[in-house]
Amino acid sequence: EVQLVQSGAEVKKPGESLKISCQGSGYSFTSYWIGWVRQMPGKGLEWMGIIYPGDSDTRYSPSFQGQVTISADKSISTAYLQWSSLKASDTAMYYCARRAVAASVDYWGQGTLVTVSS
Amino acid sequence: QSALTQPPSASGSPGQSVTISCTGTSSDVGGYNYVSWYQQHPGKAPKLMIYEVSKRPSGVPDRFSGSKSGNTASLTVSGLQAEDEADYYCSSYAGSNNFFGTGTKVTVL
Repeated sequence: EVQLVQSGAEVKKPGESLKISCQGSGYSFTSYWIGWVRQMPGKGLEWMGIIYPGDSDTRYSPSFQGQVTISADKSISTAYLQWSSLKASDTAMYYCARRAVAASVDYWGQGTLVTVSS
Repeated sequence: QSALTQPPSASGSPGQSVTISCTGTSSDVGGYNYVSWYQQHPGKAPKLMIYEVSKRPSGVPDRFSGSKSGNTASLTVSGLQAEDEADYYCSSYAGSNNFFGTGTKVTVL
């Protein structure tokens, strides 16, 4: 069974750093792109960027370029999303997602809620 | 690259049909047959309903159908049921990344 399991909810202060994770299982982790999707409270889905764990090829959506870093460790089938200096506006639910045939997302993680507040 | 444009809301009575549009450009929706649709219930992760414009993943009822004409894709839900009440998002490939639509809240009256 394909699963994407994300790390737990985080509460941080502005200016702090953070790295959240997404561990894949039940499939060849290095053969599928993994994307990150932001959903701010009460808002829609936003595609942040994507990584191919096989060779760490990474592509960022223009709105998120320079704001976050996406990485992966294929030895432990885990993708990461990190911030060096959080802002209150980073408060959101973050989903990892497996991109499959025809660029569709066939599996989603359960989401990681990030709350940034002083 | 801006989000794909969807109507904020749509509604129908049980048994009726509702169609949601998703308008992009020739660089995304119009340029690729890589349009997908997702259903999201409150507090849940999105679920893939349609991929490659009109294909249904295993387990998705055939009440859900997709189509595309030019830069606009559409999702039709026929025979509306109470459990279809949710937010729906379209998505298109655009060269390297994906882009989502603005989302449509479907209400079953």
